[in-house]
Amino acid sequence: DTEVTQTPKHLVMGMTNKKSLKCEQHMGHRAMYWYKQKAKKPPELMFVYSYEKLSINESVPSRFSPECPNSSLLNLHLHALQPEDSALYLCASSPTSGADTQYFGPGTRLTVL
Amino acid sequence: GIQVEQSPPDLILQEGANSTLRCNFSDSVNNLQWFHQNPWGQLINLFYIPSGTKQNGRLSATTVATERYSLLYISSSQTTDSGVYFCAVVTGGFKTIFGAGTRLFVKA
Repeated sequence: DTEVTQTPKHLVMGMTNKKSLKCEQHMGHRAMYWYKQKAKKPPELMFVYSYEKLSINESVPSRFSPECPNSSLLNLHLHALQPEDSALYLCASSPTSGADTQYFGPGTRLTVL
Repeated sequence: GIQVEQSPPDLILQEGANSTLRCNFSDSVNNLQWFHQNPWGQLINLFYIPSGTKQNGRLSATTVATERYSLLYISSSQTTDSGVYFCAVVTGGFKTIFGAGTRLFVKA
């Protein structure tokens, strides 16, 4: 099963809200990724967790807070977002290293009002 | 940092036509993947191809790592092939960089 699931599919939130995005995989992969994709642009890497430890943080603002509670689960906590943060947020996983194939989830489409 | 360039940026084909998409990268990479993004945003794996040639049905890909480019061939295109095609490279561990994509529209 090469499936990465993401919830919710859609999210609308105000600038003062706190919300979380969830990503799950049951392929036994040890690397998990968050990407942000604006309309008509390519995905941009935000965070990488390897063996539940933060490996890459691409200078993402602190209003985005990742969490990896176990090897199957990756969360992205959102707080005090801005309208320009509206985007498609994609999660991916790979077996162990960046040299492996990455498998993507369907994404969460976020709108910040 | 590494640059990834895709060409052409846009492509319109008549159903049944063949096409070649190109991805150039400016430095050596650990991984290169081709993806198709459908209209709903799902990124679908096409090929994991850091070097060599692979084929899957009507699609094939070739990466010449020493010359820093990869090609994606689509033969006998169908309307369902429409969407955006991305190449993505990984360098220095997990650092993943996507090209800007090729937007393909196949007319019936």
